[in-house]
Amino acid sequence: EVQLVESGGGLVKPGGSLRLSCAASGFTFSSYSMNWVRQAPGKGLEWVSSISSSSSYIYYADSVKGRFTISRDNAKNSLYLQMNSLRAEDTAVYYCARDMVDYWGQGTLVTVSS
Amino acid sequence: DIQMTQSPSSLSASVGDRVTITCRASQGIRNDLGWYQQKPGKAPKRLIYAASSLQSGVPSRFSGSGSGTEFTLTISSLQPEDFATYYCLQHNSYPHTFGQGTKLEIK
Repeated sequence: EVQLVESGGGLVKPGGSLRLSCAASGFTFSSYSMNWVRQAPGKGLEWVSSISSSSSYIYYADSVKGRFTISRDNAKNSLYLQMNSLRAEDTAVYYCARDMVDYWGQGTLVTVSS
Repeated sequence: DIQMTQSPSSLSASVGDRVTITCRASQGIRNDLGWYQQKPGKAPKRLIYAASSLQSGVPSRFSGSGSGTEFTLTISSLQPEDFATYYCLQHNSYPHTFGQGTKLEIK
């Protein structure tokens, strides 16, 4: 069974940093691209970033480019999102999702507030 | 960037009704589109992939159609558990983009 479990969310002040993690199991992690998708409270879904299976290709939404960094460790079956220079508008539930966005984790809440 | 225009934004229907939700892409995306269902407080769940293929375990009352720029999700006979918010997602090119969502409510 495919499982994706996010962690690392919490309350952070504007301008602060946070690192999200996503632990994957139930499939060959190193064979799949991975994504981060977020959802602000009461709003729709927004794709944030994708990384290819070998980390050769990385893409970001314009809204996070230059501030967020996606990475992965295939030996640890883990996906990461380093978030710097956080803003109030980054407040959202962050989901990791596999490949063509077929399986999703349960999400982790990031709140940016003073 | 490819824009996905989803309609309607909300829909009121009764159990047993047939409903259709539409997504229009600002440029051709072949069949690189998925449909998702999200219930309050839960992660989205994929219903349809490649525009018209039913995800394993999803009831057959859900169906998808379309290619290029026009796509539809149809629920043939609404069940109580189908009242939720639905999204389309194009993954033809980056940035991937979601439709704005359709909230399906009980009439």
